[in-house]
Amino acid sequence: DAGVIQSPRHEVTEMGQEVTLRCKPISGHDYLFWYRQTMMRGLELLIYFNNNVPIDDSGMPEDRFSAKMPNASFSTLKIQPSEPRDSAVYFCASSFREGQPQHFGDGTRLSIL
Amino acid sequence: KNEVEQSPQNLTAQEGEFITINCSYSVGISALHWLQQHPGGGIVSLFMLSSGKKKHGRLIATINIQEKHSSLHITASHPRDSAVYICAVSSYGQNFVFGPGTRLSVLP
Repeated sequence: DAGVIQSPRHEVTEMGQEVTLRCKPISGHDYLFWYRQTMMRGLELLIYFNNNVPIDDSGMPEDRFSAKMPNASFSTLKIQPSEPRDSAVYFCASSFREGQPQHFGDGTRLSIL
Repeated sequence: KNEVEQSPQNLTAQEGEFITINCSYSVGISALHWLQQHPGGGIVSLFMLSSGKKKHGRLIATINIQEKHSSLHITASHPRDSAVYICAVSSYGQNFVFGPGTRLSVLP
């Protein structure tokens, strides 16, 4: 299996631009998670899906962030408009069941100038 | 008080030393996870445990549910073990709450 695939690996854009991060989970995994990692706050859960349905989005910072999972093999995390404080590494992970080991993608390093 | 705490924050060891990283948590959990994040940024799940002890190669993880404490041990440490080790807990109906991580450097 190819593992969890994220794209792009790096993104540099200017403040105010729309940013879309993409994730393909491992086939057969019912849970998909989006995390953000910063030096100040460490790893934080943003949102997670079960069977394509958002279950908990309490970690989403504000209305500028949105996430979708249109099917079992694809999810997006969108920031619009982006701000410099959104600069972080964003990880996607998937797991077979709730509480089971999660498989992480390589992350997207986002820099907002 | 953070829900998940780790100690030490940073650890430097000589190759071959026995290493222990500690994790304590304050919430009821269904499982505790140890993750390894390499200098390149990739995150790998090492262990998931809800009781007792698990061993994988030179890595051993233990958990004491009553004391809300877990330890990760590395025997015969090697420079390639240098990474950030993150403890995370999951509860029924919720998902991962992460500790701040322990940065380990193993010197040759």
